[in-house]
Amino acid sequence: NAGVTQTPKFQVLKTGQSMTLQCAQDMNHNSMYWYRQDPGMGLRLIYYSASEGTTDKGEVPNGYNVSRLNKREFSLRLESAAPSQTSVYFCASSEDGVGGHTEAFFGQGTRLTVV
Amino acid sequence: GDSVTQMEGPVTLSEEAFLTINCTYTATGYPSLFWYVQYPGEGLQLLLKATKADDKGSNKGFEATYRKETTSFHLEKGSVQVSDSAVYFCALMGKLQFGAGTQVVVTP
Repeated sequence: NAGVTQTPKFQVLKTGQSMTLQCAQDMNHNSMYWYRQDPGMGLRLIYYSASEGTTDKGEVPNGYNVSRLNKREFSLRLESAAPSQTSVYFCASSEDGVGGHTEAFFGQGTRLTVV
Repeated sequence: GDSVTQMEGPVTLSEEAFLTINCTYTATGYPSLFWYVQYPGEGLQLLLKATKADDKGSNKGFEATYRKETTSFHLEKGSVQVSDSAVYFCALMGKLQFGAGTQVVVTP
């Protein structure tokens, strides 16, 4: 029972490089989320997808793009990485979306360092 | 917009002490409320939840009651163990907003 799987687990990028963080869930959930976690800041929502084919901005979307490829997969792309994007990134999914009542399940995280 | 405020940490306790972590929220309507726990190097795990006013969520000795009148969802445990050392997050299901997290350190 894999749940939410994120790849890669660790990544070091140079400023200006691009990369895509992958996320897949096997629970047939409708909604998926991308968060970043920084010391003292808790989790901040970058983007979310309430259902296949839809995406919406969260609290800190600048510098990121997302794709909801199908119901299972939700990827996060950094087009031109900056040191301020050094963070731990978490993907999550939930059966319900905005305004719903079901809990979210989280991946193990991707630790990204931009030098 | 929706928001969650929880007490800052770190909170340092001795084993078997009583733990309280305060959480208050601002939201339209009555969203579900959650407590998540994050152990070092891991993702977040659901600890407990409450879906309507006066509901009490409980798990692993932790409890929290959804208080509409005080817009609060405080987490409590009567006797903590070293294994409870972690970061605890309060969250509400609107766009799944999280508090800043409270680190709890339990010493033997």
